[in-house]
Amino acid sequence: NAGVTQTPKFQVLKTGQSMTLQCAQDMNHEYMSWYRQDPGMGLRLIHYSVGAGITDQGEVPNGYNVSRSTTEDFPLRLLSAAPSQTSVYFCASSYQPHSEDTQYFGPGTRLTVL
Amino acid sequence: RKEVEQDPGPFNVPEGATVAFNCTYSNSASQSFFWYRQDCRKEPKLLMSVYSSGNEDGRFTAQLNRASQYISLLIRDSKLSDSATYLCVVNSGNTDKLIFGTGTRLQVFP
Repeated sequence: NAGVTQTPKFQVLKTGQSMTLQCAQDMNHEYMSWYRQDPGMGLRLIHYSVGAGITDQGEVPNGYNVSRSTTEDFPLRLLSAAPSQTSVYFCASSYQPHSEDTQYFGPGTRLTVL
Repeated sequence: RKEVEQDPGPFNVPEGATVAFNCTYSNSASQSFFWYRQDCRKEPKLLMSVYSSGNEDGRFTAQLNRASQYISLLIRDSKLSDSATYLCVVNSGNTDKLIFGTGTRLQVFP
């Protein structure tokens, strides 16, 4: 099993550009989430999904969209990048609800918005 | 007040030392508690869940104090490889959403 994979590992964008961060897992997990990690802030939940076709907002959803058309994939779209979105983005998945089960994280995407 | 608070450290300890971290949480309805470990520029990984009666995994012991709303992590016989940031994680009230602390950095020196 590859576990949770994320692409790209690094990305530099200009303000106003859009892009999609890819996340995939091969563990047949129903629960998937996107977090961002900033210095001094801890990981903050952006969006999450409890199964294919179902998504919901987390703590900091503004400026991001998600979709879950398959169990395996959970892409995160930045609609119009802003410097405040410079961060490290982690995707995570679990078999049970996140509060009941181990979350498996991808290696992260380091995004810089100029 | 943050929902989950940790001392950022760093805690600098020699090999073989015992070190303890505390984490406080503000929502008394929280039911799920975890410690995750994060190495520099890597993803977080589950270290251990924290159970009401306290639990131990080798050199690591986790405790929960519901009355004072804190959890603790004790590391005995510290190894160089224990150097990392330890994240306290608590579910938000009655929800499934997890709140991460900012982490406590541990540096073990020879």
